[in-house]
Parts: sequence; structure tokens; C-alpha cells
Amino acid sequence: AQRVTQPEKLLSVFKGAPVELKCNYSYSGSPELFWYVQYSRQRLQLLLRHISRESIKGFTADLNKGETSFHLKKPFAQEEDSAMYYCALRSYNNNDMRFGAGTRLTVKP
Amino acid sequence: DAGVTQSPTHLIKTRGQQVTLRCSPKSGHDTVSWYQQALGQGPQFIFQYYEEEERQRGNFPDRFSGHQFPNYSSELNVNALLLGDSALYLCASSRGLAASYEQYFGPGTRLTVT
Repeated sequence: AQRVTQPEKLLSVFKGAPVELKCNYSYSGSPELFWYVQYSRQRLQLLLRHISRESIKGFTADLNKGETSFHLKKPFAQEEDSAMYYCALRSYNNNDMRFGAGTRLTVKP
Repeated sequence: DAGVTQSPTHLIKTRGQQVTLRCSPKSGHDTVSWYQQALGQGPQFIFQYYEEEERQRGNFPDRFSGHQFPNYSSELNVNALLLGDSALYLCASSRGLAASYEQYFGPGTRLTVT
């Protein structure tokens, strides 16, 4: 069964500090992994996906199939990064998108 | 382009009633997916519509049904409402069915069942 686990509900860091939001998944096939972000009073929006291997707003995420993880990282957090972050999984032949419960990131000044 | 729009913004219903939620996809998109987001949880996939047919369904009872119109807009219907159906209902649209296509989310409809 597809499952996405985000172990931290809340994460707080100071501005300029590195940040890592954890995501672990369980899936037997070839998944596509995503990170979505929801800023205050805004709608859910795609931040990045593993196939594009991009860096968006300074965030990167590497798919580690051995550890079944897709952690989101940023070397220097900014206050505007404060938001709710969701990790999500979808298989290539199944459009059932599974989301984790989310991590609320707060970047303190 | 207003992006994905949903109506109404919020509504209150009584247990046992029926409700219809509406979604208009982003311009150029032909695929609509619906999600239920309970408080403190991530979105849960309900179903997906493409070419006016339900293509994929999550683990939701038959009380949840949908429809897609020729203009690609969609409705989500929930019958015999339960208190546990209280949630934020999100609509997402994409261009086609491929898993790699980006989904754009609407602002959601907040449903409260009393």
C-alpha cells in the first residue's frame, strides 16, 4: 500500500539556519514524489518534484530509494519560508495521490 | 486566468442531508481530481475525472459521487452526510491523466456537518 509519513508536525528554526523536512514513503513500485507548500491564506501549490531535480526557492529534495525517503532541504532558511509543507506520492500508472499529514515550518527572525 | 475556482467557499449542512460542491478547472486543463482534507491532516484522494468519466477512485464510500461536464467543470456530491464528512474539500486540475502532469489546486470548500 502507498503511504507517506512526515514524522514532524511542527518544525521551528532560526533565520539563516539549515532546515530539513523529513518524508518517508512506502510503495512497492516506481513512485513519483512531490513536495507541496501552503503559505498562510494561500492555496496548496507544487514546490518541487523529484523527476525535475530542480532547486525551487533554494529548496532541494533527493529521492533515496534505499531509505525510501524524500527529505526537503534548504541550507539557509528565510522567514518567508514559514508555511505548511506536504510530501506526496503518486505512481506512474495510478493517479491516486497520497499526501503526508504535513509539517508546519516556522522560521524565526 | 483565475486558476481553479470552487464554490461555495463554505457551507453548513445537517446530518443526513445531501451536498453538491462545484469546481471549474484552470484554463486549458481537462482533468479534475477531488480531495478531502480533515483538520490537521493532509489531503485524501477521493476520485479523478477525465473525459466525463471517473478514472480513479480512492477509498471513499459510494455516498461520494461526482460528475464532469463537457466544459471540464466538475461536481462532487455527498449523500447522507455524516458528522465525519466535515472537512475542507479541494479540487485540483491538470492537463491530462499522466502522473507527471502538475496539479493546480483550488482554494477549497469548507463543509461543516452539524
